[in-house]
Amino acid sequence: KNEVEQSPQNLTAQEGEFITINCSYSVGISALHWLQQHPGGGIVSLFMLSSGKKKHGRLIATINIQEKHSSLHITASHPRDSAVYICAVPNQAGTALIFGKGTTLSVSS
Amino acid sequence: EPEVTQTPSHQVTQMGQEVILRCVPISNHLYFYWYRQILGQKVEFLVSFYNNEISEKSEIFDDQFSVERPDGSNFTLKIRSTKLEDSAMYFCASSEGLAGEQFFGPGTRLTVL
Repeated sequence: KNEVEQSPQNLTAQEGEFITINCSYSVGISALHWLQQHPGGGIVSLFMLSSGKKKHGRLIATINIQEKHSSLHITASHPRDSAVYICAVPNQAGTALIFGKGTTLSVSS
Repeated sequence: EPEVTQTPSHQVTQMGQEVILRCVPISNHLYFYWYRQILGQKVEFLVSFYNNEISEKSEIFDDQFSVERPDGSNFTLKIRSTKLEDSAMYFCASSEGLAGEQFFGPGTRLTVL
């Protein structure tokens, strides 16, 4: 069974700071998901990546398949980035996602 | 933009009652999922569904739970006899392909009294 660990658990930043959230997993996977959960509870898919790097606006996700590690970076953070960021990986059959506990990010102005 | 919808947004029920949570997945998606999140805890997988069959279910998904695709658009989760510990946010998700990107609905908050 794949174990997904995220760090840090909580993160406080000032507006404009560069943010890094880390995710490691124990069993090799085909792809990794980064998701954002808003304070109201809704979950939004940010990235699904299987190698290298993906960028969307101020968000960058990287993955190192050999080291079983991924990072989510936010450049020029803004208060509206405040949310829980969750890393998730598929089970071996690809029929379910296994979630990390999430990183709670709070950005103040 | 297509989205997954869920109804109701909030359901309050008495312990022992049956509840049905409804989801409308994105129309061209073939894989459907239910997840739950107990307050303050991580999201947990319940069940996945493809081609009118359960593909995978977790240990949480016991005989009290069932899923159904009663027509071409709805995907439902039924809890037969609710317990206090079933109180959680329930998320439906869908994906186009196996192990593809999953799109989540807004969730149904279930409160069991």
